[in-house]
Amino acid sequence: AQSVAQPEDQVNVAEGNPLTVKCTYSVSGNPYLFWYVQYPNRGLQFLLKYITGDNLVKGSYGFEAEFNKSQTSFHLKKPSALVSDSALYFCAVRDKSSASKIIFGSGTRLSIRP
Amino acid sequence: NAGVTQTPKFRILKIGQSMTLQCTQDMNHNYMYWYRQDPGMGLKLIYYSVGAGITDKGEVPNGYNVSRSTTEDFPLRLELAAPSQTSVYFCASSYSKDVLTADTQYFGPGTRLTVL
Repeated sequence: AQSVAQPEDQVNVAEGNPLTVKCTYSVSGNPYLFWYVQYPNRGLQFLLKYITGDNLVKGSYGFEAEFNKSQTSFHLKKPSALVSDSALYFCAVRDKSSASKIIFGSGTRLSIRP
Repeated sequence: NAGVTQTPKFRILKIGQSMTLQCTQDMNHNYMYWYRQDPGMGLKLIYYSVGAGITDKGEVPNGYNVSRSTTEDFPLRLELAAPSQTSVYFCASSYSKDVLTADTQYFGPGTRLTVL
């Protein structure tokens, strides 16, 4: 069965420090992987996606994610956190066989302290 | 270009009442989706559509109905509201050439529904 896990409910980082938000997945075959961000009282916004090719994917707002097939992970990273990065982050995985099989993780709340 | 719009923003229903959540997109996307987001949880897919006239069930379709008569609109109908349907509902759209294409989804701002 297809699934995605975000093992941390909350991540706290000081401004200027690097941040990592973790995501692991389970799909049959090769996955499409996504990261979305949700600011308070807003819909989700696309950050980046992995389809194929380079394992390091760069996205919006200085975020990047590293696809690791052997560890079935797709962790979100940023070299230097900003207070404005504080939000809820969702990892999502899609089975290539069907547009309907898009599974979202439970979300990780990122809090950046000044 | 407004993207994905949803109405209403908030609604309180009594048990057994009906309502329709509206969703419109102006990006000429062929795929549209309805999700619900419960507190502290991720999104669960309710229904989706791959084009006008075509809809299919997602992960949690019970208690809901949809229709897709035009490319732009994808309303979600609750026939007999129940407290378990208290949630935030998000509509999304994407463009895909075919079912195998990775599609970035664009989300509306959400409808916060409470059933008492």
